[in-house]
Amino acid sequence: KQEVTQIPAALSVPEGENLVLNCSFTDSAIYNLQWFRQDPGKGLTSLLLIQSSQREQTSGRLNASLDKSSGRSTLYIAASQPGDSATYLCASRGADSGSARQLTFGSGTQLTVLP
Amino acid sequence: NAGVTQTPKFRILKIGQSMTLQCTQDMNHNYMYWYRQDPGMGLKLIYYSVGAGITDKGEVPNGYNVSRSTTEDFPLRLELAAPSQTSVYFCASSWSAGQGYGYTFGSGTRLTVV
Repeated sequence: KQEVTQIPAALSVPEGENLVLNCSFTDSAIYNLQWFRQDPGKGLTSLLLIQSSQREQTSGRLNASLDKSSGRSTLYIAASQPGDSATYLCASRGADSGSARQLTFGSGTQLTVLP
Repeated sequence: NAGVTQTPKFRILKIGQSMTLQCTQDMNHNYMYWYRQDPGMGLKLIYYSVGAGITDKGEVPNGYNVSRSTTEDFPLRLELAAPSQTSVYFCASSWSAGQGYGYTFGSGTRLTVV
């Protein structure tokens, strides 16, 4: 059974700092990995999706990498801003066809960017 | 706006009551999912559907039922609500289970059972 872990659970940084959020998974047989942002009391907004055949994806100040062999993904946020404050969730999509290749979620990293 | 719509946004139920959480998507997605999120935890899969008329259990299906009569709608039914069902419920959809396809989530239903 896939397990996804995100460490740390919470992170506080000053504005302007570059930062890395970590995600690890136990089963390397994944189809893709998706990073989401969740604001308090809100739904999940998809940030980046990396297919299993890809190494990284970029969108604006965000860069996500995937290393299946080590079971790790990172989300890099450049020049952080207070508006980046949110909980960031990673989720892997299983390669087997069971559960329509469901997403398995980590418990998230709560990021606070201080002005 | 295209996306996944969930209603209601908030609901308080008494123990033993029943209710249906509504979910509809207008993207013609085949795959639909119901997740629940407990405080400080990741999301857990309750039920999923790969198309109209086809549903199956996820990781935590007990106490819930679903139906999928159309491509657009995937309601989640809670029978005999219990305090353990206090949670935030998210509906999601995906065009395909392929590598290049991600999920689109609704904004959630916050349910409290008292």
